[in-house]
Amino acid sequence: GAVVSQHPSWVICKSGTSVKIECRSLDFQATTMFWYRQFPKQSLMLMATSNEGSKATYEQGVEKDKFLINHASLTLSTLTVTSAHPEDSSFYICSAPQGDNQPQHFGDGTRLSIL
Amino acid sequence: GQNIDQPTEMTATEGAIVQINCTYQTSGFNGLFWYQQHAGEAPTFLSYNVLDGLEEKGRFSSFLSRSKGYSYLLLKELQMKDSASYLCAVLDSNYQLIWGAGTKLIIKP
Repeated sequence: GAVVSQHPSWVICKSGTSVKIECRSLDFQATTMFWYRQFPKQSLMLMATSNEGSKATYEQGVEKDKFLINHASLTLSTLTVTSAHPEDSSFYICSAPQGDNQPQHFGDGTRLSIL
Repeated sequence: GQNIDQPTEMTATEGAIVQINCTYQTSGFNGLFWYQQHAGEAPTFLSYNVLDGLEEKGRFSSFLSRSKGYSYLLLKELQMKDSASYLCAVLDSNYQLIWGAGTKLIIKP
């Protein structure tokens, strides 16, 4: 069964809206979670590393004020896309490893469409 | 810098065998993963290699040579549902996952 749950699966909203995406580890604790973005026919791109109890680490070129990450508990990380615009439309995927040498388990992804 | 190379696209026939190669140069090595990703879906875990050799799991096998910085994913008895992208990823010394761009596998009847 799924070990990482991501919600919602689909979001369609107007430009300027803020959208929150949740990522939960279901049967393990995750001190670290990862947020990826994937445009059509392109590879996964790591946006940021979410760290429980501390600030997220953002990849170069990713605006931290645009993509707010909160990792308030060992099983939940959230990504908020603030004031979303059409160019933010993409497939957002979270993942969490069960341990240092363990595979990352992915959520089912959130398809975000900004009109 | 860190780099992972894999072919962009491969085509194979249903029922046949295909080998997808992956070469890597990373700062340290803590294991190599293969993931399968169908279009529009999130990746799913296939295999993990940290020691040299072949790991077999049903129709899928994965091989690793750390000295050569090389891995391959072998898919046997190909089925149409195996049409997907296959992602190679290496865990570096900081336990950061470095992703390849993926190999799109097209299966023809």
